Amino acid sequence: AQTVTQSQPEMSVQEAETVTLSCTYDTSESDYYLFWYKQPPSRQMILVIRQEAYKQQNATENRFSVNFQKAAKSFSLKISDSQLGDAAMYFCAYRRLSGGSNYKLTFGKGTLLTVNP
Amino acid sequence: NAGVMQNPRHLVRRRGQEARLRCSPMKGHSHVYWYRQLPEEGLKFMVYLQKENIIDESGMPKERFSAEFPKEGPSILRIQQVVRGDSAAYFCASSPALAHYNEQFFGPGTRLTVL
Repeated sequence: AQTVTQSQPEMSVQEAETVTLSCTYDTSESDYYLFWYKQPPSRQMILVIRQEAYKQQNATENRFSVNFQKAAKSFSLKISDSQLGDAAMYFCAYRRLSGGSNYKLTFGKGTLLTVNP
Repeated sequence: NAGVMQNPRHLVRRRGQEARLRCSPMKGHSHVYWYRQLPEEGLKFMVYLQKENIIDESGMPKERFSAEFPKEGPSILRIQQVVRGDSAAYFCASSPALAHYNEQFFGPGTRLTVL
């Protein structure tokens, strides 16, 4: 079974600084998707960024970028120029690309990010 | 295009009562997924439904929990005889089809508190 591990329960960053959130996962699949979701205090789940495992290029979305290391099964999220609105719980998630149960998202336990003014 | 709607946003039940959680998928979406988030945990898959069909309920507790997605109307997650351990946030997500590239769009969740 796939597992997703976020080893940092909490992180903090100064406004305008850069922070990196860690995520590792375990799978025997070769093709899959990885995601970072943001859950602000409203509890709405918001997709931040997505990475296809078959793509070597790291995904970027404005101030958000990932460092995807497939061999190491590592998928970290870098937030540049942190803003107060980035404060939230961040979840790393995995999903198979094909085959049975490829609709299931498997989530880590989350990292609570605090942004200090 | 309205997003995924869930209601109620907050639900309080006493032990032994029934809880009914509703989810209206995005317009044009025919696939619905329910996830549960226990305190201090990530979301965990419960069930995947298409219109009038349960495709995968492998994440649902065997007893007291049921889900449906009728031809007309919202998807319903029903919890009978609730216990304190059912207190959690329940999220619904929808997608237009089961294409591998399709994103699941999440609703705002229903927070269930069992007294």
